[in-house]
Amino acid sequence: NAGVTQTPKFRILKIGQSMTLQCTQDMNHNYMYWYRQDPGMGLKLIYYSVGAGITDKGEVPNGYNVSRSTTEDFPLRLELAAPSQTSVYFCASSAGQVVVKGELFFGEGSRLTVL
Amino acid sequence: EDQVTQSPEALRLQEGESSSLNCSYTVSGLRGLFWYRQDPGKGPEFLFTLYSAGEEKEKERLKATLTKKESFLHITAPKPEDSATYLCAVQASGTYKYIFGTGTRLKVLA
Repeated sequence: NAGVTQTPKFRILKIGQSMTLQCTQDMNHNYMYWYRQDPGMGLKLIYYSVGAGITDKGEVPNGYNVSRSTTEDFPLRLELAAPSQTSVYFCASSAGQVVVKGELFFGEGSRLTVL
Repeated sequence: EDQVTQSPEALRLQEGESSSLNCSYTVSGLRGLFWYRQDPGKGPEFLFTLYSAGEEKEKERLKATLTKKESFLHITAPKPEDSATYLCAVQASGTYKYIFGTGTRLKVLA
């Protein structure tokens, strides 16, 4: 099982450029999340989705957009990249509390540098 | 506001030296408390879920406990391969969001 797959693993952007971080999961999970992790700051929630067509903001949504057209995919769009968006981005999914332990399954991360 | 605080920020242990990591939380109704392990350059890996005060879970050298205000991750006779960052997260009732602490960086010396 592939689990949660993120691409790209590494990317360098110039200020003002745009890009999309891809995330796909093959576990048929309804819940998907995007977090960013900065050194010493823990994981901060950017956006999350409870199912196809439904998304909502987390703690730090400014400068980002998401869409959820299928159960499997949850891309994160960065518009007009800024140095403050330099971070490691993690996508995660969950089956939800109804089924199992409710834990999050994480991808390997996408390391983004904005210069 | 829901909040998670982990301590200490960093911990160095000798191999075999047992210790505990702390996760204090403030949440409006706890749906679940989660422990994860994160190795450098990797995504967090799930360890335990705890749902109610008094609950305990064990896995190899790790044991997680939960009270109404905090959780402890006890590490018994650690080995160098236990070196990692340990993250705590909570999910409040009525929400689908997980709130993470900043983690404890554990280093076990041989």
